[in-house]
Amino acid sequence: IVLTQSPRTLSLSPGERAILSCRANQSISISHLAWYQQNPGQSPRLLIYGDSRRATGIPDRFSGSGSGTDFTLSISRLEPEDFAVYYCQHYGTSPRYTFGQGTKLEIK
Amino acid sequence: VQLVQSGVEVRKPGASVKVSCKVSGYTFTSYGFSWVRQAPGQGLEWMGWISAYTGDTEYSEKFQGRVTLTTDTSTSTVYMELRSLRSDDTAVYYCARDLGWGLGFDHWGQGNLVTVSS
Repeated sequence: IVLTQSPRTLSLSPGERAILSCRANQSISISHLAWYQQNPGQSPRLLIYGDSRRATGIPDRFSGSGSGTDFTLSISRLEPEDFAVYYCQHYGTSPRYTFGQGTKLEIK
Repeated sequence: VQLVQSGVEVRKPGASVKVSCKVSGYTFTSYGFSWVRQAPGQGLEWMGWISAYTGDTEYSEKFQGRVTLTTDTSTSTVYMELRSLRSDDTAVYYCARDLGWGLGFDHWGQGNLVTVSS
């Protein structure tokens, strides 16, 4: 499985809605897709996993959706702390895990 | 839950490095661990997985034969050894608690910077 994220960079303002895309090169189950957030100099943080469930402590402005080959991470109202790099990840077989190349969400 | 990794490592090309990840806050054998690396300015790259319960491992094809994951249940520590280091192995190496079955990596270590330079 190859995951392609787009756009590579997204420039938005606080309060706006962000939509990040993750496309797989073949059909996958959303229950095997996760999303992570990474701030500069920090370890990644799990945001969304399984059937688009939010990880512990993740605010409800974050949501995941999609099916087949096209998946989306949405952030409904951007807060200053949301500007970071986001990665999608697939759980499968051979290899067990694959990451997308990331989308940088920057302040416009 | 805490995953605390060992510190900065510097190695010459051709050498090996073994980094550790000490785990606390839950029953060590309840979950597996994955190792992920991130080269400077680059994205995340999955290297391999180990079951803390059985010791079973699975490695990315890219690292097969060069990486070994082990655990020490007596000290709740996970280890990642990478051999035949090259300059392009310079990266931050993370351990992460792996919930399995697509549930994600819910806790991460702080990362180990490994620099490979002659």
